[in-house]
Amino acid sequence: QVQLVESGGGLVKPGGSLSLSCAASGFTFSAYYMSWIRQAPGKGLEWVSYISSGSTYTNYADSVKGRFIISRDNAKNSLFLQMNSLRAEDSTVYYCARLIGGGHDAFDIWGQGTMVTVSS
Amino acid sequence: EIVMTQSPATLSVSPGERATLSCRARQSVNNNLAWYQQKPGQAPRLLIYGASTRATGIAARFSGSGSGTEFTLTISSLQSEDFAVYYCQQYNNWPTTFGGGTKVETK
Repeated sequence: QVQLVESGGGLVKPGGSLSLSCAASGFTFSAYYMSWIRQAPGKGLEWVSYISSGSTYTNYADSVKGRFIISRDNAKNSLFLQMNSLRAEDSTVYYCARLIGGGHDAFDIWGQGTMVTVSS
Repeated sequence: EIVMTQSPATLSVSPGERATLSCRARQSVNNNLAWYQQKPGQAPRLLIYGASTRATGIAARFSGSGSGTEFTLTISSLQSEDFAVYYCQQYNNWPTTFGGGTKVETK
């Protein structure tokens, strides 16, 4: 079935780095824009970044610009988020999500999320 | 960025009743508006996109309406599995932004 599975979350010190991965299955990964979205426990949703199907275009929220890098490997059906210079406020659950396409930038498939905790 | 405001923050409804959730954009987002349902410990699930198009597999009791700055999600007859938090999202402009959510709870 159509599925996204994130991994790589954990505990990291302020200023540290962490790399998240998202494994896709059940659909033609290379045909879709993909995104990372985060949510602090008990809080709302915040879009983080997206990448186009062929990696030509990327975009970032101002809150992570210059610190996070999104990438993908279509041959391995995988999405990545390299997070550098981490701050306490980056401590949230990170979801990977598929953009539905067809002119609509809604997110129709979500992973289960991976928790990132930035603390000394 | 476009600020999305949802109301009410909490909606108390009895099973079988109709629920009406509102989402307002600070500026026009045309019909580039989606609704999501999120249950505790789960990822959000897409319900509606394009303001009124139900996503694949979404029950007909969920309907969306509106355009420009005012949008509504209606659940015609609440089922037990519908008690959750609902978010709206505008994707007319990047960065895409989400509303703060409406929690639908049992009355």
